Amino acid sequence: DAGVIQSPRHEVTEMGQEVTLRCKPISGHNSLFWYRQTMMRGLELLIYFNNNVPIDDSGMPEDRFSAKMPNASFSTLKIQPSEPRDSAVYFCASSLGGYDTEAFFGQGTRLTVV
Amino acid sequence: GNSVTQMEGPVTLSEEAFLTINCTYTATGYPSLFWYVQYPGEGLQLLLKATKADDKGSNKGFEATYRKETTSFHLEKGSVQVSDSAVYFCALTKGGGADGLTFGKGTHLIIQP
Repeated sequence: DAGVIQSPRHEVTEMGQEVTLRCKPISGHNSLFWYRQTMMRGLELLIYFNNNVPIDDSGMPEDRFSAKMPNASFSTLKIQPSEPRDSAVYFCASSLGGYDTEAFFGQGTRLTVV
Repeated sequence: GNSVTQMEGPVTLSEEAFLTINCTYTATGYPSLFWYVQYPGEGLQLLLKATKADDKGSNKGFEATYRKETTSFHLEKGSVQVSDSAVYFCALTKGGGADGLTFGKGTHLIIQP
């Protein structure tokens, strides 16, 4: 298995532009998570899905952020409009779900908003 | 709410030294506890886990024991190697893998030859 695949690995965009981050979870995994990593705040859970349904989006910082999971093999995290303070590394992770299962992380997307 | 506190470092040690990275947590109920490791430019990998009080997780020479009485999950290794240099994250989740993880800030470990 190729693991969790994220694209792009790096994204540089101008303030005000729309940014879409993509994630392909491990086949057969039922839970998908989006995290953001910054020096100041560390790793924060933004949103997670179980069986393609958003369960908890309380970590999404603002209405500018939205996430979708149209099917079991694909998810997007969109920021519109982007701002410099959104610059961070965004990680997607997936797991089998249920009690005591390991979360597998992608390599992350480093977003820079200038 | 849930929270995890760990020493942030950087922690610099010589090869073959003994390692301890402290981690304490705040949570209601009975969380599962994890240590993840992040190598430069990569995502996080699970290092070890424990799901109930007094459980000991172990992997690659690392160990951590779930101490409910002190709400701690300290990471230890008897003899570190240069290849152990990485950032280590302590984390918890209430519902196992179905809920998201709450992470500590991470501890940067540097092992010198």
